[in-house]
Amino acid sequence: NAGVTQTPKFQVLKTGQSMTLQCAQDMNHEYMSWYRQDPGMGLRLIHYSVGAGITDQGEVPNGYNVSRSTTEDFPLRLLSAAPSQTSVYFCASSTGSANYGYTFGSGTRLTVV
Amino acid sequence: KQEVTQIPAALSVPEGENLVLNCSFTDSAIYNLQWFRQDPGKGLTSLLLIQSSQREQTSGRLNASLDKSSGRSTLYIAASQPGDSATYLCAPEGGSYIPTFGRGTSLIVHP
Repeated sequence: NAGVTQTPKFQVLKTGQSMTLQCAQDMNHEYMSWYRQDPGMGLRLIHYSVGAGITDQGEVPNGYNVSRSTTEDFPLRLLSAAPSQTSVYFCASSTGSANYGYTFGSGTRLTVV
Repeated sequence: KQEVTQIPAALSVPEGENLVLNCSFTDSAIYNLQWFRQDPGKGLTSLLLIQSSQREQTSGRLNASLDKSSGRSTLYIAASQPGDSATYLCAPEGGSYIPTFGRGTSLIVHP
């Protein structure tokens, strides 16, 4: 099994550009989430989904959009990139149950210049 | 809002020492608590998962305990090795099964 796959691994954007970070999982997990990790800040939740067609905001949602049209995919869209969105982005998935933890992707390192 | 604190923020020890990493959280209404390891520039690797009904979990040289009522978890690393050098993250899962992360403990084990 591939687990959680994130693409691209690295990306450089100019301020104002838009892009989509891809996340796919092949474990039939209902729960998927996006985090950003900044130095000294830990991981902060951007958006999450508890199933296809259902999404909700996390701690730092501004400037990001998500949709969940299938169980497998949970793309994160940057509408108009800003330097403050320079970060490492992680996607994670889980069954959302009391005996099953989260599996993380390898991350996307994004630089906005 | 769940707040997670990890102490110490950084730790540097000689090889062979037994280590204690601490995690505290403000909302004790959790389902699971997961410990992760993160190597520099890499993703998160799950180490241990403790359900709220459990007191501890063990995997090899790692042992994690959970005191849900007091909002604390501890990760014990026995006989530390240089390969244990990494950042260790604690993540309790609350009512939506969404984990909240601490800032981690950065561990260096030197030969």
